[in-house]
Amino acid sequence: AQSVAQPEDQVNVAEGNPLTVKCTYSVSGNPYLFWYVQYPNRGLQFLLKYITGDNLVKGSYGFEAEFNKSQTSFHLKKPSALVSDSALYFCAVRDRRGRRALTFGSGTRLQVQP
Amino acid sequence: DVKVTQSSRYLVKRTGEKVFLECVQDMDHENMFWYRQDPGLGLRLIYFSYDVKMKEKGDIPEGYSVSREKKERFSLILESASTNQTSMYLCASSLNPGLVDNEQFFGPGTRLTVL
Repeated sequence: AQSVAQPEDQVNVAEGNPLTVKCTYSVSGNPYLFWYVQYPNRGLQFLLKYITGDNLVKGSYGFEAEFNKSQTSFHLKKPSALVSDSALYFCAVRDRRGRRALTFGSGTRLQVQP
Repeated sequence: DVKVTQSSRYLVKRTGEKVFLECVQDMDHENMFWYRQDPGLGLRLIYFSYDVKMKEKGDIPEGYSVSREKKERFSLILESASTNQTSMYLCASSLNPGLVDNEQFFGPGTRLTVL
């Protein structure tokens, strides 16, 4: 079975400050990990993914995420938040030995204050 | 650019009606997915398909069925709509994973209200 947890319903950060959106996962094998973003009144968009290799993954719009196998985490980060980053963020996981579909987390709303 | 389109942005139906939600993608993707999105629950997978006429149940298939007669089209059917199926429905597509997983491309969503 595969599952993912996003422990924070909402994260508030001031513009210009670093941001972190947390994600932990559970799989029986090795994971594929993804982050997606949903801007207001727009569809979900892919941000970044971890497949293998370097634990630090860089994605769109200056976001990055760090795969930590020992902590089973894949936190999303950005060094300097923008007001335009305000959106709903979803972490997703797929067990490499499991079904061919992702399991998504419950989502974290990021609010960046000017 | 990949484009995933859904037949309606907003839909209002009555309890007991049969409801069809259509999804079309234009990039020859093998995989197609139907999710529902509810506040606090995130995206939950209803059904997915990795080839024409192939389908697999997701996490919440009860009350739903799907049809994939052509590669580009994946339909979600609510056999007898109920009020607890009021939700945002999202369709997505992706290339066949093969050895490397590929990101999913999402449609704009259909907000279904069942009265």
